[in-house]
Amino acid sequence: EPEVTQTPSHQVTQMGQEVILRCVPISNHLYFYWYRQILGQKVEFLVSFYNNEISEKSEIFDDQFSVERPDGSNFTLKIRSTKLEDSAMYFCASSLGARGNSPLHFGNGTRLTVT
Amino acid sequence: EDQVTQSPEALRLQEGESSSLNCSYTVSGLRGLFWYRQDPGKGPEFLFTLYSAGEEKEKERLKATLTKKESFLHITAPKPEDSATYLCAVQSLSYGGSQGNLIFGKGTKLSVKP
Repeated sequence: EPEVTQTPSHQVTQMGQEVILRCVPISNHLYFYWYRQILGQKVEFLVSFYNNEISEKSEIFDDQFSVERPDGSNFTLKIRSTKLEDSAMYFCASSLGARGNSPLHFGNGTRLTVT
Repeated sequence: EDQVTQSPEALRLQEGESSSLNCSYTVSGLRGLFWYRQDPGKGPEFLFTLYSAGEEKEKERLKATLTKKESFLHITAPKPEDSATYLCAVQSLSYGGSQGNLIFGKGTKLSVKP
């Protein structure tokens, strides 16, 4: 069964450094998402992306964050200058369509640790 | 403010002991309610989508139901492999057309002992 793959599985970085988290969505999916989960807290929406542009973003997704689909297969999340509070599990997801009858498929996440 | 609350936080069952998980929600118009399963170290795995009060969906030992204020995930005769965290999420009509902005609850951690 096709799946969403994320790399790396664990990223450690120092405060103030830039990180890029990578995702390969399911190949025929058109909608792409990033979510995050701080340890012990809820899964939170960051951004959705369709047709090479952001379609929705949350308050968390400020100017420090950016997303890109640099080629036909990858979807990336960049954090420009990491802060301690950015430490979390970051999940990429994709869906075929925009509605509930086309569910989100999640990857297994990248655990980001900012020291 | 849109909100999702799940209870209990944790549930321990013996194999074969049926039970229910609760998801209460407050949204300004429900576009859809979603149930996911999350295993340790993994991403959420989709189970069900429910759209309107009275709707029910079933998959193996799981059955999800929806009312105007809450959803239940019923687990019939669970097995140890059903052990996981079950997440409930809603999409509100106050957001745009994309289903991406899901509001999650904290989940119920289910342990099923043989």
